[in-house]
Amino acid sequence: DGGITQSPKYLFRKEGQNVTLSCEQNLNHDAMYWYRQDPGQGLRLIYYSQIVNDFQKGDIAEGYSVSREKKESFPLTVTSAQKNPTAFYLCASSIPRDRGRMNTEAFFGQGTRLTVV
Amino acid sequence: AQKITQTQPGMFVQEKEAVTLDCTYDTSDQSYGLFWYKQPSSGEMIFLIYQGSYDEQNATEGRYSLNFQKARKSANLVISASQLGDSAMYFCAMRETTSGAGSYQLTFGKGTKLSVIP
Repeated sequence: DGGITQSPKYLFRKEGQNVTLSCEQNLNHDAMYWYRQDPGQGLRLIYYSQIVNDFQKGDIAEGYSVSREKKESFPLTVTSAQKNPTAFYLCASSIPRDRGRMNTEAFFGQGTRLTVV
Repeated sequence: AQKITQTQPGMFVQEKEAVTLDCTYDTSDQSYGLFWYKQPSSGEMIFLIYQGSYDEQNATEGRYSLNFQKARKSANLVISASQLGDSAMYFCAMRETTSGAGSYQLTFGKGTKLSVIP
């Protein structure tokens, strides 16, 4: 079955550490996204990538980094510069705008819950 | 200014009754899309329904329908015959033509927590 796999489901980080969240998709989608969700809040865009080896900052990119070396993979690194990293992180993918339609929905993974200890 | 506003933090509905979840949006684009997603306690986001700005008819998908009032910039989700499994967070989202330098990013509201009472 096609889909998006995020791992791990739960992640604990010590203060000052970098951690990397994995996101893999087999939907053959070019575009991938990382969102952050805090309690009582909607999803906020961290980074997005439309094609391999290219990515753009979203609304809250500070303290995060990404790479897009393969079409299937879009890992997110939460660096020690991120002051408040405890949150639920969701990865998504979709067809990019130049080859898609406005009604193409984004498909989401099951999320990673990151906690700073 | 918020692009997507969901004014109901929480809603209760009796099983088998219908419920309306409110969503208003703000955009200057002529072409845009509106989406509703369901997020159960497990965390994944499940796509429910889509409405395009040029669609003349309200979208329907099974028990879900979208009450689209373009002049009022509202896109309310109606769930008919509520079931216990409908208890979840519901998010309204918008995709604009001009968003994200060509990306297909979605802008989300803060969500409404729906609780279905037996």
